[in-house]
Amino acid sequence: EVQLVESGGGLVQPGGSLRLACEASGFTFSSHHMSWVRQAPGKGLEWVATIEPDGSDTSYVDSVKGRFTVSRDNAKNSLYLQMDSLRAEDTAVFFCVRVIVLAGTGPHFDYWGQGTLVTVSS
Amino acid sequence: DIVVTQSPLSLPVTPGEPASISCKSSQSLLYSNGYNYLDWYLQKPGQSPQLLIYLASNRASGVPDRFSGSGSGTDFTLKISRVEAEDVGVYYCMQGLQGPITFGQGTRLEIK
Repeated sequence: EVQLVESGGGLVQPGGSLRLACEASGFTFSSHHMSWVRQAPGKGLEWVATIEPDGSDTSYVDSVKGRFTVSRDNAKNSLYLQMDSLRAEDTAVFFCVRVIVLAGTGPHFDYWGQGTLVTVSS
Repeated sequence: DIVVTQSPLSLPVTPGEPASISCKSSQSLLYSNGYNYLDWYLQKPGQSPQLLIYLASNRASGVPDRFSGSGSGTDFTLKISRVEAEDVGVYYCMQGLQGPITFGQGTRLEIK
């Protein structure tokens, strides 16, 4: 059974840092792109970042470029999101998401974690 | 960035009746391989989103056949042939053709 379990959320002051982690199980982690998607309270979904299976390439939404860093440790089946210079508008539930290829195409998000809440407030 | 716009934003439906959600993109999502890079997701109350439809018209594994997707280019539709109580939640379309990946605003389906 595929499981994605996020941790590391919490309350942080504006300008502060936080590191999210996602522990994956039930599939070959090192074979999949992985993504972070966030959802502000009462709002819709926003893609944040994606990392390639071997970690060699990453991509980000413009609003977090230069502040967030996605990484992974395939030996530990873990995905991370280092978040620096946090702003109030970063307040959201952050989901760890598995990316799959279907019909030779992607990305498609087939498994989502339960999410971890990040609150940026003084 | 490709903007994806859904309508309606709220959809009250009587059980057993059909429902339809529209998704329009600011650029064509049809790639040279013949596929439209448009997916549909459902976020049930208190849950994480789940994949319903990929590449505009393909049901994901385990998705009931009352759900169907159609459309090409910039106009797409998600249809539920007969709404059931378990279908309540927020439906999102998502384009994966070009970075950044973008989602529609979401359509909240509720039971009348």
